[in-house]
Amino acid sequence: NAGVTQTPKFQVLKTGQSMTLQCAQDMNHEYMSWYRQDPGMGLRLIHYSVGAGITDQGEVPNGYNVSRSTTEDFPLRLLSAAPSQTSVYFCASRTSRGQETQYFGPGTRLLVL
Amino acid sequence: QQQVKQSPQSLIVQKGGIPIINCAYENTAFDYFPWYQQFPGKGPALLIAIRPDVSEKKEGRFTISFNKSAKQFSLHIMDSQPGDSATYFCAASWGYGKLTFGQGTILTVHP
Repeated sequence: NAGVTQTPKFQVLKTGQSMTLQCAQDMNHEYMSWYRQDPGMGLRLIHYSVGAGITDQGEVPNGYNVSRSTTEDFPLRLLSAAPSQTSVYFCASRTSRGQETQYFGPGTRLLVL
Repeated sequence: QQQVKQSPQSLIVQKGGIPIINCAYENTAFDYFPWYQQFPGKGPALLIAIRPDVSEKKEGRFTISFNKSAKQFSLHIMDSQPGDSATYFCAASWGYGKLTFGQGTILTVHP
């Protein structure tokens, strides 16, 4: 198993550009989430999904869009990048059963100029 | 309130010392309290977790103490080693795998 994979590892954008951060998992997990990590603020939930076709907003959803057409993939879209979106983005997944371990990807470091 | 407050921000101990990291929460709907360890350039990895009906859980050198009435929980690392140097996050789960994280503690263990 590859676990949770994220691409790209690093990206530089100009203000106003759009891009999609890719996330995939091969563990057949129902739950998937996107977090952003900023210094001194821990990780904050952006969007989450409980299954294919079902998504919902987390704590900081503004400026981000998600969709989930398959169990495996959960892309995060930045529609018009802003400097405030400079951050490290982590995708995570876990099974819906009980309180199983949540697995995090290696992260995407995004710099918006 | 969905916040989880974590302290201290940073911690330096000597090898063999027992660093303690504390967290506090307000929302009584939280039903699962994991601790994550993160090394530079890597994603967080689950270290140990506890449910609110348990007061203490130990796994190897790592122990969680949980005080439900005070809404506080803490991580103790026994016989700390330089390889334990990392950032530690407490978190609280509130349904569908969603996590609210503390601010993080940067732990440095000197040889």
